[in-house]
Amino acid sequence: DTEVTQTPKHLVMGMTNKKSLKCEQHMGHRAMYWYKQKAKKPPELMFVYSYEKLSINESVPSRFSPECPNSSLLNLHLHALQPEDSALYLCASSQEVRLAGTGNEQFFGPGTRLTVL
Amino acid sequence: GQNIDQPTEMTATEGAIVQINCTYQTSGFNGLFWYQQHAGEAPTFLSYNVLDGLEEKGRFSSFLSRSKGYSYLLLKELQMKDSASYLCAANTGGFKTIFGAGTRLFVKA
Repeated sequence: DTEVTQTPKHLVMGMTNKKSLKCEQHMGHRAMYWYKQKAKKPPELMFVYSYEKLSINESVPSRFSPECPNSSLLNLHLHALQPEDSALYLCASSQEVRLAGTGNEQFFGPGTRLTVL
Repeated sequence: GQNIDQPTEMTATEGAIVQINCTYQTSGFNGLFWYQQHAGEAPTFLSYNVLDGLEEKGRFSSFLSRSKGYSYLLLKELQMKDSASYLCAANTGGFKTIFGAGTRLFVKA
């Protein structure tokens, strides 16, 4: 299984709502990532988990709260978002250890398209 | 600072060859990736270079010059389905990868 799955595919929420994005992979990868991508812009790294521990937080506002319940799952909890947070949210995973001659290339899920009203 | 530059758009003809260039300036460097992204879809991995030189993978090849901070992606025998954005991305150390803005390639018949 070389797939990263994400749910939901689309999400519309108001600024007072609380919602969660989910990501799952079964490739045995121990590094998992959240990216935010606006239209015609590159993906921007938000968070990285390594062995279920938060490794990188790119100064993301606290209205985004990541969670890694186990090695296969990654969640992103959303609360009190702003309209400018509307974007495609991408989850990715990679190997923890880079083998000689290979990169820790990331496998991306299809993304959740989020609209904040 | 960290910077990745690549052309915004390119157009090429079906069956032709196209080269997409990328220059990078990063505080650390552990390899250069190329990803393909179709509109509204997730990026998919194409290639990885960490040493200078050319890596060939079927119709796609990627080149890296570390001393020049330069890479290119070469696509041969272009097909209509190759119309997509091509993202150049640099691993700057550990798990950090920064992406260029992408080059939108249009393949015409």
